Amino acid sequence: KNQVEQSPQSLIILEGKNCTLQCNYTVSPFSNLRWYKQDTGRGPVSLTIMTFSENTKSNGRYTATLDADTKQSSLHITASQLSDSASYICVVSDRGSTLGRLYFGRGTQLTVWP
Amino acid sequence: EADIYQTPRYLVIGTGKKITLECSQTMGHDKMYWYQQDPGMELHLIHYSYGVNSTEKGDLSSESTVSRIRTEHFPLTLESARPSHTSQYLCASSEGGGVKEKLFFGSGTQLSVL
Repeated sequence: KNQVEQSPQSLIILEGKNCTLQCNYTVSPFSNLRWYKQDTGRGPVSLTIMTFSENTKSNGRYTATLDADTKQSSLHITASQLSDSASYICVVSDRGSTLGRLYFGRGTQLTVWP
Repeated sequence: EADIYQTPRYLVIGTGKKITLECSQTMGHDKMYWYQQDPGMELHLIHYSYGVNSTEKGDLSSESTVSRIRTEHFPLTLESARPSHTSQYLCASSEGGGVKEKLFFGSGTQLSVL
């Protein structure tokens, strides 16, 4: 069964600190992996998209890594800010599928305290 | 910032009412989607459209229906709302093709059926 598992479920850090969120998937075949940020009461916003051949992708203070062999990805947030408080969702697409058939994780709820 | 709009943002209605959730995008995207999301859970695709007069059911069974008469407009209708329909409904559209097709989400409609 194609699944996307994220950990931790929730995380609290202090402003200025770094953190890493994890995503493990069993989706096969694999096409690409996406990280989204979803603020409370809003729709998700794309942070990164990585294909099989890409090991790392950065977007400002966000850096995503991908290990397609172990089927793991991580999202590293550097020098966290209060505005980073949100749910971070990992999404995996299987090769040859339509974009509509994406596999979503349940997200990691990040809270940044001052 | 994506130009995709959903109305209303919040809706509280009684059981048995007919409702329509509106979604419009000004980006000229052919592909549009409706997702359902419960708190702390993953997004589930309920409907998608690849162009005018084209609609398909998604992975999650839903009693809702959709229409696509114009490229920019993709409304979702519930003929008779029930408490089990209480959820957040997210509309999305996509651009580009291939593995890096980018998905843009609206801010969502939070529906509560009493």
